[in-house]
Amino acid sequence: EPEVTQTPSHQVTQMGQEVILRCVPISNHLYFYWYRQILGQKVEFLVSFYNNEISEKSEIFDDQFSVERPDGSNFTLKIRSTKLEDSAMYFCASRQQEAKNIQYFGAGTRLSVL
Amino acid sequence: ELKVEQNPLFLSMQEGKNYTIYCNYSTTSDRLYWYRQDPGKSLESLFVLLSNGAVKQEGRLMASLDTKARLSTLHITAAVHDLSATYFCAVLYNFNKFYFGSGTKLNVKP
Repeated sequence: EPEVTQTPSHQVTQMGQEVILRCVPISNHLYFYWYRQILGQKVEFLVSFYNNEISEKSEIFDDQFSVERPDGSNFTLKIRSTKLEDSAMYFCASRQQEAKNIQYFGAGTRLSVL
Repeated sequence: ELKVEQNPLFLSMQEGKNYTIYCNYSTTSDRLYWYRQDPGKSLESLFVLLSNGAVKQEGRLMASLDTKARLSTLHITAAVHDLSATYFCAVLYNFNKFYFGSGTKLNVKP
C-alpha cells in the first residue's frame, strides 16, 4: 500500500538553527499538509499546499516557517531559527483531490530543540 | 477561528461495554473526520463524514454527523482492549484547513 514517507524520524538541533523536515507524499495525491503535535497534546494544523502554492495556513505558521515542493516528489518544511517551543512531532499528510478522500499521514519527525 | 471540542478527554471502560465520544464544532462545516492514534504512532484515518445525517460503521465503531447541531459522535459497541488508543475528530474548514479536537484517550480494561 502506498505510504507517506518522512525523514528523518528524529531530528535534534540547537536553538536558533535551521531545520528542514522532509516528506514524500503519495504519488498521485494533490493536497499536502504539515501538522504539529506537542507531546500529549492535540494535532495542530500548520499549512496546506495545493497546485504549488500554500492554500491555507494557521496562526502558528509565521515567518520562520516555509514549505516547498522542490522537485515534484518531495515536500519540505523549513524552520529558519528554531525555538525551544518548536519541539514537537511534525506530521506530513497527503490526500487526493476529493474531500471524501482521507488524509494519509506519515510516521512523523520528532524535533527536539535544545 | 473554528473551535472543536471533544468529550470526554479520558475514558476508561471495561471490555464489553458501550460508550460514545462527542465532537462539537463551532462553525458550519459538512466535512468531519475521525482518526485513531496509538501511543508514539501516527494517525490512522477511521471515517470521513461528508453530509448531514451521514453514518458510517466499521467493526465496533460507528460514526455519525449532525451538521445542524454541529455534532459528531463516535460510538463504541462492546469494547475490546485493542480499541485502546486516542481518538481525534477533525473538521475541514474553508476547503483545505483542518481543525482537530483535543482527543479522547480511551483505555479499555480487559
